[in-house]
Amino acid sequence: ILNVEQSPQSLHVQEGDSTNFTCSFPSSNFYALHWYRWETAKSPEALFVMTLNGDEKKKGRISATLNTKEGYSYLYIKGSQPEDSATYLCAFPGGSYIPTFGRGTSLIVHP
Amino acid sequence: DVKVTQSSRYLVKRTGEKVFLECVQDMDHENMFWYRQDPGLGLRLIYFSYDVKMKEKGDIPEGYSVSREKKERFSLILESASTNQTSMYLCASSYNGQPNQPQHFGDGTRLSIL
Repeated sequence: ILNVEQSPQSLHVQEGDSTNFTCSFPSSNFYALHWYRWETAKSPEALFVMTLNGDEKKKGRISATLNTKEGYSYLYIKGSQPEDSATYLCAFPGGSYIPTFGRGTSLIVHP
Repeated sequence: DVKVTQSSRYLVKRTGEKVFLECVQDMDHENMFWYRQDPGLGLRLIYFSYDVKMKEKGDIPEGYSVSREKKERFSLILESASTNQTSMYLCASSYNGQPNQPQHFGDGTRLSIL
């Protein structure tokens, strides 16, 4: 089982704050890194797939960066809104191409 | 849009019952997966399938089996339900086995075993 770690486990911020969290993964045998958002009572939805070292992806106020050499990815949310409240998951496909998920970061944005 | 449909959102069963959780995807995806999600533990892979009639064990297959008789349908079977199988179960599919392909998830089934 691959070691995919996410931190922090949970985060409470005020509306308008910017925030970021981390996914760390094995730096060898890198193929891709996925970020998902999982809102309560909904299904997880894919945010980004990142494949190249130095990749930066952006979707509205959410962006992600990737460092494959040191084995980490950051997810940033600029000007958090209550609708950003969700659990953010990263997933790392290892040698078998089957993704291992981190335990997630639970974000709560207070109005 | 890919649609992954799980047969029930909520299910209550008794210890010892045989339980079937059904999952259907409508996008001709090759790969299908079953996960369970428990507080503090994240998504853990139970079984996956990369083709019809093919199945592979994931990280926690004990007490479960699966069936994939048709490409669009992947069933999870609890042979004799136990209380420690109370959990949220998520089905997912992906286009093929390539690592850059995202997974598409169903809404989940919250299963309670009494």
